[in-house]
Amino acid sequence: KNQVEQSPQSLIILEGKNCTLQCNYTVSPFSNLRWYKQDTGRGPVSLTIMTFSENTKSNGRYTATLDADTKQSSLHITASQLSDSASYICVVSARGSTLGRLYFGRGTQLTVWP
Amino acid sequence: DGGITQSPKYLFRKEGQNVTLSCEQNLNHDAMYWYRQDPGQGLRLIYYSQIVNDFQKGDIAEGYSVSREKKESFPLTVTSAQKNPTAFYLCASSTPVGARNEQFFGPGTRLTVL
Repeated sequence: KNQVEQSPQSLIILEGKNCTLQCNYTVSPFSNLRWYKQDTGRGPVSLTIMTFSENTKSNGRYTATLDADTKQSSLHITASQLSDSASYICVVSARGSTLGRLYFGRGTQLTVWP
Repeated sequence: DGGITQSPKYLFRKEGQNVTLSCEQNLNHDAMYWYRQDPGQGLRLIYYSQIVNDFQKGDIAEGYSVSREKKESFPLTVTSAQKNPTAFYLCASSTPVGARNEQFFGPGTRLTVL
């Protein structure tokens, strides 16, 4: 069964600290993995996208890694800011699907305190 | 929110009424999607359309209907047959399926049944 599991479910950190969010998946055959940021009451916004051959991708203070062998990804946030408070969603795409089928994790709710 | 608009932002419905959620995109994307998001759950696919005048059921299509008369528009109707319609609804669009088929999301519509 194609699944995407994220941990932790929620996380609270102090402003300026770093944190790492985890994503494990069983989607096969794998096409690509994306991380989205979703502010409360808004639509998700793409942070990074990685294909099978890419094992790291950065977007400002956000760095995503991918280990396709162990089917794990992480999103590292450096020097957190209050505006980083949001839900971070891991999304995996299956290769070969005419739909471009996406499998969504439940998200990690990050809260950054001043 | 990348060229995708959804309206209204908030919608209230009485039991037994049908309501239609609007989704418009100016990204010239062929494919469009509707998702439902409930607290603590990943996004679930309701309907998708890859070209004009064609659409397919997703995982939770019961109680919903769509149309795709124009490339730019993909409205979703929540019918009285949908037993638990209160949720956050997200529309997305993407370029034709490929290695980096990236979906762009709208700002969402929060539907509440009174």
